[in-house]
Amino acid sequence: GDSVTQMEGPVTLSEEAFLTINCTYTATGYPSLFWYVQYPGEGLQLLLKATKADDKGSNKGFEATYRKETTSFHLEKGSVQVSDSAVYFCALTNSGGYQKVTFGTGTKLQVIP
Amino acid sequence: GAGVSQSPRYKVAKRGQDVALRCDPISGHVSLFWYQQALGQGPEFLTYFQNEAQLDKSGLPSDRFFAERPEGSVSTLKIQRTQQEDSAVYLCASSLKGLDFANTGELFFGEGSRLTVL
Repeated sequence: GDSVTQMEGPVTLSEEAFLTINCTYTATGYPSLFWYVQYPGEGLQLLLKATKADDKGSNKGFEATYRKETTSFHLEKGSVQVSDSAVYFCALTNSGGYQKVTFGTGTKLQVIP
Repeated sequence: GAGVSQSPRYKVAKRGQDVALRCDPISGHVSLFWYQQALGQGPEFLTYFQNEAQLDKSGLPSDRFFAERPEGSVSTLKIQRTQQEDSAVYLCASSLKGLDFANTGELFFGEGSRLTVL
């Protein structure tokens, strides 16, 4: 079945450091890929998405590129802020049909001043 | 409010008790999902509704779990004879579109109901 593997955390970075959170996936067909973020005390919310190969999703300074050849969707940000501290989930939807989302286990990011 | 609302936010149950968790999706949203999130894990799919129809319940872990959405809006997840392994956060999410949309839509999540079974 479909699955998502992302790097384990926690990841601790100093403010303004470069961030990469690795994500790889296994899926049949042509899935759409997502990054969701969960800030402390809040619900999951969509951060960015990409729906086909070579698409780049971006939002709030975060970027991720859909790489079909490596089945990856790594999340990057050039300069993190304390307010980026959260848990980040890589996810995918199966192609066709309704939007059943398969999530990775999440990566906790802590940014220190 | 305009978002997905879940209640109760926290529930403590003794083993063997029945619990009911409520989800109020965003008004007009066709699709509704329930997920279970164990501590330190990602959300795991439980069940999916399109309006009042439960189209997929393949993720429900046992016949003690039951979900309904009788009028196509509010949904209830019921767990009978709770066990300690049922302890988790139960997430509800809704989406505007239904079955025949392209898989590019966004899910809107509630804050979850944290269930602790003693």
